[in-house]
Amino acid sequence: DSGVTQTPKHLITATGQRVTLRCSPRSGDLSVYWYQQSLDQGLQFLIQYYNGEERAKGNILERFSAQQFPDLHSELNLSSLELGDSALYFCASSVEPGQGYNEQFFGPGTRLTVL
Amino acid sequence: ELKVEQNPLFLSMQEGKNYTIYCNYSTTSDRLYWYRQDPGKSLESLFVLLSNGAVKQEGRLMASLDTKARLSTLHITAAVHDLSATYFCAVDPLGNAGNMLTFGGGTRLMVKP
Repeated sequence: DSGVTQTPKHLITATGQRVTLRCSPRSGDLSVYWYQQSLDQGLQFLIQYYNGEERAKGNILERFSAQQFPDLHSELNLSSLELGDSALYFCASSVEPGQGYNEQFFGPGTRLTVL
Repeated sequence: ELKVEQNPLFLSMQEGKNYTIYCNYSTTSDRLYWYRQDPGKSLESLFVLLSNGAVKQEGRLMASLDTKARLSTLHITAAVHDLSATYFCAVDPLGNAGNMLTFGGGTRLMVKP
């Protein structure tokens, strides 16, 4: 158990809908990362927040957005869902980015299925 | 754009045998990570390699980093069935404002009795 929690574990929804994925980082970690894992794209970085501020953006679609709240938990919002958004979404956390040894710890993931 | 390539993508081996997984990356970096993933599960951190020549060992797995060659290897010694999983390397490039990781495609390892 990495100490990173994600809810829900599974989510099944229809095309065009909107969902919210939630992540709580390890105690003491300030940075949260979101990754998407799919069969065709592999593991891809989506977005990073550090202490409430957006720090870096990767291959995140405009239909997706995220935020990190004052208690450091983060939410990833996915809207206008398409079949191709079906994937495993991971949240990871680390203490502070860019400071040498800075390991990321991954949560259990949320499996999203869009029908 | 940073590219991280692993090979082989799939590896089927007998118990007791040795093998090496390779991870090549296309940009300067001295921070490389190895993760293990069991089917449908999360990623478990195995090794953090932070400098040229770094070598880390845990049980039957040993990882090394050659930053000049932009190459990391994960060596498996006397494989056992419990090592069956998918292994990913991930690179954190120098100058990265955060430290988002770029992952290789993964190596699916199957160890047969």
